[in-house]
Order: sequence, then C-alpha cells, then structure tokens
Amino acid sequence: GESVGLHLPTLSVQEGDNSIINCAYSNSASDYFIWYKQESGKGPQFIIDIRSNMDKRQGQRVTVLLNKTVKHLSLQIAATQPGDSAVYFCAERRSGNTPLVFGKGTRLSVIA
Amino acid sequence: DARVTQTPRHKVTEMGQEVTMRCQPILGHNTVFWYRQTMMQGLELLAYFRNRAPLDDSGMPKDRFSAEMPDATLATLKIQPSEPRDSAVYFCASGLVQGGIRTEAFFGQGTRLTVV
Repeated sequence: GESVGLHLPTLSVQEGDNSIINCAYSNSASDYFIWYKQESGKGPQFIIDIRSNMDKRQGQRVTVLLNKTVKHLSLQIAATQPGDSAVYFCAERRSGNTPLVFGKGTRLSVIA
Repeated sequence: DARVTQTPRHKVTEMGQEVTMRCQPILGHNTVFWYRQTMMQGLELLAYFRNRAPLDDSGMPKDRFSAEMPDATLATLKIQPSEPRDSAVYFCASGLVQGGIRTEAFFGQGTRLTVV
C-alpha cells in the first residue's frame, strides 16, 4: 500500500558538518509535508513545512527540498550541533484536511 | 506559552485494568488527534476530532479503545480492558482548521503506558 518511508534509519554526523535526512513518499496527491524533530522523552516538534506547489523552503539552519517527480523529500541541517541529535520524522497530508501520516523516523546522532 | 498538556506522563497498570489518558489541547484549536508510538509501528493515528465531533477512529481497536471530547478543553482516550500489547507512548496533538487557516499539529509530551 502507499506509505511514507525513510531511506536511512540512522545517521551519524560530525559536529559542524551538514546533515541530510531523506524521505520517500508514494502518494502523488499529497499536498503538504512537514518535518518533525523528536527528542528523547518528548513529543514531536514542528521544524519546517512545505506545500506541494514549492520545491524548496528555508528556515533557520534548516532547508526542506521537495522533488515531486521522484516523490522525495529531504531535510538539510546546516552546521549540525549536538542539540540536533534526535529522531526526525517526515509527515505528509494526503488530501484536504486529513491528518498527517508519519514515516518511521531517522535517528540523527551528532559526534562532538 | 501555549502547549498541549497530557496526563499522566507515565502509567503502569496490570493487564485487564482500565486506563484513561487525558489531553488538554491548545486553547482555540478545534482539531485533536490521538497517536500511538511504538518502535515497530512508529506513529500511528488512532482517532481525531474536529469541533469535538469524531471524524475518524478507524485506527482504534473498537472493542477496547474509546475516545471522547467531553468539552473543547478536554480529550480522553480510554482502554478497557488493557493488554500488554497496548504498551506504547500515546500522543495527543491539536491544530486549527478553519476557513483558510490550517496549522500543523502541535504535540503533547505523551503518556508512556506500560501494561504488565
């Protein structure tokens, strides 16, 4: 069936390097995507979102890229810091006002 | 500081007991979601409400789970009877969908449920 999935379950990066977390989705009708960050013992926290009519959106140290041709979403974190260590989830809204569907998550570990 | 508040944060109970989890959505939000998180399944949607009306509870085992919104400031998720396989972290999230406004889902800290 259709699902939101992640290419890499774990990612280790050196402090100061850039991180790229990837996500594949299969529902071409999805019109809205969000990246969430979840730290240990906490709920998912909104990082950045993007609508399907865009292919790039930038925030503070984070950039989300959307490639609708290959149904791929990525989160780029610049100058990764120890505080960025967490599990990152991509989520999609498949149509209208339906709830978000979450991927399995990628754990980002930052090596000091 | 607007936030979604969930109680209790942790709950350990014996199999067969009733469990009630509570959620206070962000004031003004009209959409409330219940998600369950496990290592195997990730974040799964159990149910969601808009303007206190249930829109979809197809993710919940109907024989033992029930979700309600007694008023706009309280959402409850009840499991009766609880089973060990219900052990998970249960998250409540809220958002606003109204006219042209649509916010993302804001999550609470979760209730970690352990059924022994």
